[in-house]
Amino acid sequence: DSGVTQTPKHLITATGQRVTLRCSPRSGDLSVYWYQQSLDQGLQFLIQYYNGEERAKGNILERFSAQQFPDLHSELNLSSLELGDSALYFCASSPLVQANYGYTFGSGTRLTVV
Amino acid sequence: GQQLNQSPQSMFIQEGEDVSMNCTSSSIFNTWLWYKQDPGEGPVLLIALYKAGELTSNGRLTAQFGITRKDSFLNISASIPSDVGIYFCAVTNTGNQFYFGTGTSLTVIP
Repeated sequence: DSGVTQTPKHLITATGQRVTLRCSPRSGDLSVYWYQQSLDQGLQFLIQYYNGEERAKGNILERFSAQQFPDLHSELNLSSLELGDSALYFCASSPLVQANYGYTFGSGTRLTVV
Repeated sequence: GQQLNQSPQSMFIQEGEDVSMNCTSSSIFNTWLWYKQDPGEGPVLLIALYKAGELTSNGRLTAQFGITRKDSFLNISASIPSDVGIYFCAVTNTGNQFYFGTGTSLTVIP
């Protein structure tokens, strides 16, 4: 157990729908990162939050949004889902705003869009 | 985005053999990490490298940060069945956003 908790573990939904993925960071970590892992694109950075504020943005689609709450858990919202959004979504956390020592990843949420 | 190429793409080896895999970048990066991902799990950090030319070990794992800061290799000595998984390199200059390589899939045959 890495200490980073992601729910749900699996999610199956239809095209056009909206889903919310949840992440609780490791105790004491203030930064949360979201990554998408697909077969053709590999692990792609989506977005980072530090202590409730957005700090870095990667290749995140406009249909996707995230936030980090005062208790430091984070949610990734995916809307108007397309078949191509099917992927593993990982959350990671680190203590500081910069993670030069690396992240701690959760076990991921596998999203299947049908 | 950044191109991080890992080779080989996959490896099938006998238990007890040594393994070597490589990661190359088109750009210079100041921090190189190696992660391992087991099926159904998130990546787990193995080794971190911060200085060009640095050689770092973690048990049976050894990694080196290339002198040009554009490449790194990871060696695993005396492989065992639990070494099976996908190995990723990851790089950053900012400490926020890491770029991950394409991965090397390792299969260890008992």
